[in-house]
Amino acid sequence: TQLLEQSPQFLSIQEGENLTVYCNSSSVFSSLQWYRQEPGEGPVLLVTVVTGGEVKKLKRLTFQFGDARKDSSLHITAAQPGDTGLYLCAGEWANAGKSTFGDGTTLTVKP
Amino acid sequence: DAGVIQSPRHEVTEMGQEVTLRCKPISGHDYLFWYRQTMMRGLELLIYFNNNVPIDDSGMPEDRFSAKMPNASFSTLKIQPSEPRDSAVYFCASSLHGPSNEKLFFGSGTQLSVL
Repeated sequence: TQLLEQSPQFLSIQEGENLTVYCNSSSVFSSLQWYRQEPGEGPVLLVTVVTGGEVKKLKRLTFQFGDARKDSSLHITAAQPGDTGLYLCAGEWANAGKSTFGDGTTLTVKP
Repeated sequence: DAGVIQSPRHEVTEMGQEVTLRCKPISGHDYLFWYRQTMMRGLELLIYFNNNVPIDDSGMPEDRFSAKMPNASFSTLKIQPSEPRDSAVYFCASSLHGPSNEKLFFGSGTQLSVL
């Protein structure tokens, strides 16, 4: 069974701090997505990465796809309370035909 | 765009009752997905449709669950009979072109509580 693991499970930081959350698998992804989910709402797509070593930036968020396409990270610079939410990665393994979601990292940014 | 619309937002029912969840996907999207989210199991894909046809229902937990898509603008997920372990948030999502490497647009979910 292929597993997709996210870490840490919970993260609580002060406004202005930097943070990194991770998404790992023992198998190669053909593509990987990051979503953010706020309480009472559905997940919203932040980014899709498909190429090993790829780096994408979205304002204060930096997404990196590992060279071997087995892992990914999301780095947030100068976190703000509005960044609070559940960060989910969703990966598609080769020939799976569909994506699998990780359990997510719950981020709390305190003012 | 109105986005993916789900109803009801909250449903409280008693064990053994039938529950029907409803979803209207974004117009023009060919794929529709039903997910279930719990603390224990995270976000799980139950079933997805392409052009109103069920493609993969391997995530449907058991025969008590059924999903239909009678037309391109409407889908239902039915649980009959419902059990307390079915309590979860059920999300509907739609996408333009496929089940992976595509942007999924999620609805706001239905919070189901089975007492």
